[in-house]
Amino acid sequence: AQSVTQLGSHVSVSEGALVLLRCNYSSSVPPYLFWYVQYPNQGLQLLLKYTTGATLVKGINGFEAEFKKSETSFHLTKPSAHMSDAAEYFCAVSDTAGNTPLVFGKGTRLSVIA
Amino acid sequence: GAVVSQHPSWVICKSGTSVKIECRSLDFQATTMFWYRQFPKQSLMLMATSNEGSKATYEQGVEKDKFLINHASLTLSTLTVTSAHPEDSSFYICSAPLDTNTGELFFGEGSRLTVL
Repeated sequence: AQSVTQLGSHVSVSEGALVLLRCNYSSSVPPYLFWYVQYPNQGLQLLLKYTTGATLVKGINGFEAEFKKSETSFHLTKPSAHMSDAAEYFCAVSDTAGNTPLVFGKGTRLSVIA
Repeated sequence: GAVVSQHPSWVICKSGTSVKIECRSLDFQATTMFWYRQFPKQSLMLMATSNEGSKATYEQGVEKDKFLINHASLTLSTLTVTSAHPEDSSFYICSAPLDTNTGELFFGEGSRLTVL
């Protein structure tokens, strides 16, 4: 069974600083990996995803993530944090096709300090 | 584009009453929908898988009689919290598979339930 570990339940960065949110997964087969963002009292919005092909994937709002099979990681980065990036971020994995639910990490709350 | 719409966004009810939350897929059909529950500052907990035309599949520990799920059509799934109590207060989110090849989900806006 697949699982996701997000290191750090809370990350705080200064505005303009690098954002790095860590995600490690376990899966017995090549995974599909996702990052979702959640703003207060809202549903989840897809930031980016890795399915196949290029291991560095770019998403919305300037975020990107790199799939590293050898490290079983899919860390999320953004070169320069904005105040509007403050939110909860969830990493998720799927290793099966069809109508199956994603497995989510516990989430990382990102705070951006002015 | 494809959207999952959830209603109501907020609901307050008295203890002992029942509340229905609707989840609709717009512009696409969803034979399966997933219902999640989220406690404050926590991750999403899968409650059940809603299957069009058949019974829902509940996760271990989720009370089937408390959380009634119906998937009446290819675009509508409902979650009814029966005889609600304050401990049922939570944020409920539905989702539908956007891409069955990868498992990508599209999420509704969520419903905040407060039971007084």
